[in-house]
Amino acid sequence: DAKTTQPPSMDCAEGRAANLPCNHSTISGNEYVYWYRQIHSQGPQYIIHGLKNNETNEMASLIITEDRKSSTLILPHATLRDTAVYYCIVRVAAAAGNKLTFGGGTRVLVKP
Amino acid sequence: EAGVAQSPRYKIIEKRQSVAFWCNPISGHATLYWYQQILGQGPKLLIQFQNNGVVDDSQLPKDRFSAERLKGVDSTLKIQPAKLEDSAVYLCASSLTSVAGTGELFFGEGSRLTVL
Repeated sequence: DAKTTQPPSMDCAEGRAANLPCNHSTISGNEYVYWYRQIHSQGPQYIIHGLKNNETNEMASLIITEDRKSSTLILPHATLRDTAVYYCIVRVAAAAGNKLTFGGGTRVLVKP
Repeated sequence: EAGVAQSPRYKIIEKRQSVAFWCNPISGHATLYWYQQILGQGPKLLIQFQNNGVVDDSQLPKDRFSAERLKGVDSTLKIQPAKLEDSAVYLCASSLTSVAGTGELFFGEGSRLTVL
């Protein structure tokens, strides 16, 4: 699986959009970009994933650059409950044997 | 729908003792994972099962760690003897294995081990 690079930490204001960057310059053509988050004392939770096109769900939006070497997770209106560690992971999608390999993630602190 | 169940939530033992963790995945999920998460780090995969067969155990310290998934459902992770550096949260996750799916892993809340 390709490696990813994320800033170790960032702060954002409650109610504002939080933009979390991720670099994955060695991503392969069949690898997806996945985002998970881990709230304190809980297991990681799936947020969103994408291959080429931008994706949006009820939790977040995922913007992938045209060359696919980087992406941004957008939390449109951050709340205090969004305080967590966010992991950007690249992997081949659903198939037997495709594990998740976690890096250090970005520790996001949402401030009132 | 019930999530991934793990027990115990917390365990404190002395070094050289043994410990076992139990995981019950989401019903119908063929793939089960055990991750180790040391404080301040991302989770690290220890072992992955597909039904009751091992897919990947390359990072499992086999001299002291063992895991099984009898009948392809519940799983047990054992550590014997424990070392101080085994202090961590042990996370169990499960997923469907279908190319039509998202590949999402569902994690339990974890079992926190402290080795004194």
